[in-house]
Amino acid sequence: LAKTTQPISMDSYEGQEVNITCSHNNIATNDYITWYQQFPSQGPRFIIQGYKTKVTNEVASLFIPADRKSSTLSLPRVSLSDTAVYYCLVGVLHSGGYQKVTFGTGTKLQVIP
Amino acid sequence: GAGVSQSPSNKVTEKGKDVELRCDPISGHTALYWYRQRLGQGLEFLIYFQGNSAPDKSGLPSDRFSAERTGESVSTLTIQRTQQEDSAVYLCASTAQGNEQFFGPGTRLTVL
Repeated sequence: LAKTTQPISMDSYEGQEVNITCSHNNIATNDYITWYQQFPSQGPRFIIQGYKTKVTNEVASLFIPADRKSSTLSLPRVSLSDTAVYYCLVGVLHSGGYQKVTFGTGTKLQVIP
Repeated sequence: GAGVSQSPSNKVTEKGKDVELRCDPISGHTALYWYRQRLGQGLEFLIYFQGNSAPDKSGLPSDRFSAERTGESVSTLTIQRTQQEDSAVYLCASTAQGNEQFFGPGTRLTVL
């Protein structure tokens, strides 16, 4: 399984854009990149997933360069409620709908008023 | 139910006892996963079910850990002869298509 590396923690002021970069140098051809958000005492929650280039949804954007060895989660105009741990993970989406993934230690984002 | 549920929410047990953790996935979700999360750490994959079949048991840390699933419904994770290092939050997730995993709130296990 591809190993991921992320910053352990980040601080940001409210209203700013936050970019969290994840390295996954040994990503495999069939691996997808997925980001999850986890609040204390809760299970992780899916944010966004992509394979290459750029993906955008209502909460975030995901930028993936051509070599796919890294990815950047972009959170626009963060609020205090975005304080959480963000996990970058890579995994294979099998034909049976199974994605085996490796979760790293995540990035703890602290949003400051 | 609307989401994945797990029970109990908290479990305190003595070293050497067996424990059973339960997961009720979202109705219709064919895939189910168990993870372990130690304090301050990321999620550690334990086992995956497709229906009631477990094609990947590679994450189970020892033969004290086992899991089963009834059809495409409830799953139980059993830990025999618990050790203090088993103390963690055990998370269950289910998915319909394999893209988005929906997680339950977890069971916090404390082994004294």
